Parts: sequence; C-alpha cells; structure tokens
Amino acid sequence: KQEVTQIPAALSVPEGENLVLNCSFTDSAIYNLQWFRQDPGKGLTSLLLIQSSQREQTSGRLNASLDKSSGRSTLYIAASQPGDSATYLCAVRPLGSGNTGKLIFGQGTTLQVKP
Amino acid sequence: DTEVTQTPKHLVMGMTNKKSLKCEQHMGHRAMYWYKQKAKKPPELMFVYSYEKLSINESVPSRFSPECPNSSLLNLHLHALQPEDSALYLCASSQVGLAGGRETQYFGPGTRLLVL
Repeated sequence: KQEVTQIPAALSVPEGENLVLNCSFTDSAIYNLQWFRQDPGKGLTSLLLIQSSQREQTSGRLNASLDKSSGRSTLYIAASQPGDSATYLCAVRPLGSGNTGKLIFGQGTTLQVKP
Repeated sequence: DTEVTQTPKHLVMGMTNKKSLKCEQHMGHRAMYWYKQKAKKPPELMFVYSYEKLSINESVPSRFSPECPNSSLLNLHLHALQPEDSALYLCASSQVGLAGGRETQYFGPGTRLLVL
C-alpha cells in the first residue's frame, strides 16, 4: 500500500532564506508526483508536476526534484517571502490508478516565513 | 482558464436536511473528483468520475450521493448527514490519459460544510 510522508510537519524561517521541503513515498510505481500549496480554508493550487521519467521541474523560485528509486522528492524554495506561508502538500499518482487520476497525499508541511 | 468553481462557499445544514454541492469546470477535463478535508489533514478522495461515469467510490456512506450530469458539472447530494461529516469539500478536475502521466489536478476553492 502506497504511503506518503512529509517531514517536517511545520517549519518557520526568516524571510529571504532558502528552504527545502521533503516528501517520501513507499512504492516507486508511480505515474507522477505533484506539489500543491494550500492557504488556510482554501482549495489546493498546483505548483509543480514531475512525471516519473523526469528528475526535476522548475517554476520561478520553486524547484522540485524526484528520485523515484529512493522514493523521495524535495521542493526547494529560493529566497522565501512572507507570501510563501502556506501548507505544502505532495501527492503521488500510483501506476495502478489507471485513468482514474487517484492521488495519495502526504500530511503536508506548514510553512511560516517571518518578515 | 484554469478555474474550477464551487457553490456554495459555506453551508450549514441540520441532520434531516437535503442539500447539494455543485462544481463546474470549462477546461474540457473529462475526470472530476470529490474530496473531503478535515482540519489540518490532507484531502481524502471520495469519488472519481471519468467520462461522466463513476470510476471510484472510496467506500463513502450512502448519505453522500454524487452525480455527473455532463462533462462540465459535478454534484454531491447530501442527505441525513452526521456532525462528523462537517469538513471542507473540494472538487477537482483533470485531463485523462495523457502520455507520461502529465495530468495535473485543478482544485476548486471548496465548500465549508457544517452539520448541526
């Protein structure tokens, strides 16, 4: 059974720091891994999607890497800003999901960036 | 346009009420999803519709009844809910069957449900 774990559960950093969020998964048989951002009481915003054949994806100050063989992904945020404060969720789409698009989510990392 | 809309934003209902949540997307996506999210927890998948057919029901109680009237709309009918069903209900949509697993799920803002 696929399990997704995110460490740490919470993180507080001063503005301007570079930081790394971690995600691990137990079964490497995946279609893709996605990183989402969620602001309190809001829906999820897709940040980056890494296909199983890819090693990394970049968008602006965000860089996500995927090491499928070791079951790990990291989300790197450069030059953090208070507006980056949110909960970050990673999710994998198992190979067995077929066309259903089913995602397995981690518990999330809640990030606070202090001015 | 990458928007998924959900109505209502907030809903308070009694345990004997019948209500419906609505979700709409105009991105041409043929997969639509309902998730339930409790405070400080990740979303839990409830239902998946693929090409307007129910493809996943994650053992959800029958007091939740999904409906997909067409490729743009998804409803969740609620009846005889319990207080523990209070949560944020999220709708999402995605394309289906893209090569290499490139389907991104786009989420709506959610409906905050309170059952009294």
